[in-house]
Amino acid sequence: DIQMTQSPSAMSASVGDRVTITCRASQGISKFLAWFQQKPGEVPKRLIYAASSLQGGVPSRFSGSGSGTEFTLTISSLQPEDFATYYCLQHNNYPLTFGGGTKVEIK
Amino acid sequence: EVQLVESGGGLVQPGGSLRLSCAASGFTFSSYGMNWVRQAPGKGLEWVSYISSSSSIYYADSLKGRFTISRDNAKNSLFLQMNSLTVDDTAVYYCARGPYQYDSTGWSAFDYWGQGTLVTVPS
Repeated sequence: DIQMTQSPSAMSASVGDRVTITCRASQGISKFLAWFQQKPGEVPKRLIYAASSLQGGVPSRFSGSGSGTEFTLTISSLQPEDFATYYCLQHNNYPLTFGGGTKVEIK
Repeated sequence: EVQLVESGGGLVQPGGSLRLSCAASGFTFSSYGMNWVRQAPGKGLEWVSYISSSSSIYYADSLKGRFTISRDNAKNSLFLQMNSLTVDDTAVYYCARGPYQYDSTGWSAFDYWGQGTLVTVPS
């Protein structure tokens, strides 16, 4: 099974900060990786698909990069509505696996 | 408009069974694979199972054969039969769409999610 190691597990940041979250796959997954944002009590929302494609309606401050085993989600300038938990998901091989999540909190 | 509506959750005693449903609308259901994902209280997301448009099926290793996914394309519905439930199965269960049967890049994977249905197995 493919393990997805997501880091950091939590972070504190200020409005306007640049934020980078990383997911490492235990084996290559090409670009079959998606990023999700989840706020408390809400349904996960897809931000990025195919590692680097921005979901329609998602602000351009969100971007994704990577292929193979290392992937990053970047928020170029953190906004108040971005405080949430972020997850990566590999869907190259079954069983599919999510990263452990990154909780982005207000500093 | 794509809609996914789960139902069937509730309180069930340890060792019991429950059948979850996901009613789909707003897209050609038979052309998409479908997933179940769960989230235990205060925990992260856990993928549970997948059924393709042609009914190929995969499960998370942790389920140990207790869950069965199925679909009824005529009724635009996805199901999850859960048996031998334990306290560790307590979670919100989401259905999520994708990928489309001819998607080779992942553009359609997990693009829509239902609101979730809560399954509670007390200790």
